[in-house]
Amino acid sequence: SYVLTQAPSVSVAPGETARITCGGDNIGSKSVHWYQQKAGQAPVLVVYNDKDRPSGIPKRFSASNSGTTATLTINRVEAGDEAVYYCQVWHTSGDLEGVFGSGTKVTVL
Amino acid sequence: EEQLVQSGAEVKKPGESLRISCQGSGYAFSNYMITWVRQMPGRGLEWMGTIDPSDSKTNLSPSFQGHVTVSTDRSINTAFLEWRSLKASDTATYYCARHWGYGGYTRFDVWGHGTLVTVSS
Repeated sequence: SYVLTQAPSVSVAPGETARITCGGDNIGSKSVHWYQQKAGQAPVLVVYNDKDRPSGIPKRFSASNSGTTATLTINRVEAGDEAVYYCQVWHTSGDLEGVFGSGTKVTVL
Repeated sequence: EEQLVQSGAEVKKPGESLRISCQGSGYAFSNYMITWVRQMPGRGLEWMGTIDPSDSKTNLSPSFQGHVTVSTDRSINTAFLEWRSLKASDTATYYCARHWGYGGYTRFDVWGHGTLVTVSS
């Protein structure tokens, strides 16, 4: 099976930049999606296809994907960005299999 | 508004059966696949499997094959997740999510609010 590796936590001061990484074997060849899950809520899509933002997601959220690492960057972090962020890809092993990373908790200091 | 509305929380005993639901509204339900995602208490998201409402074709994770069944009823725009014999380890919140895109570019763009299933003797 395919494994996505995320750091458990990242702490950042308001106004600073948070970078959340997602590691996987040749992940640069896959399309990576990112979800934000605030406490007690359902996940929300914040980035799809490596770098595109759904409508309503602030431009402060950006992302990239190359080689073995995909990165979600949150610029000018706000208190409301505190959440767990998950990366997600599809892996082919016969049928397509959905794979989520383990999640990174972003704490705003 | 495009949304998925899930059935309410459930409390069951080990060995009991259960079916939870996910009803789509505000869009053409049959045109988009639905995925089910498990989140155990304090844990991350796990992809369980996918169903295509247009033909009821399913694709289940090996981790869940044989333990759950996914189905749909297009007449009521609803997808179901079902267990014949629950275990305590099935205690979790279960989310349904709509697919947007194709193949490896598919993302989950609309999510249900989640159904908490508690299995305890």
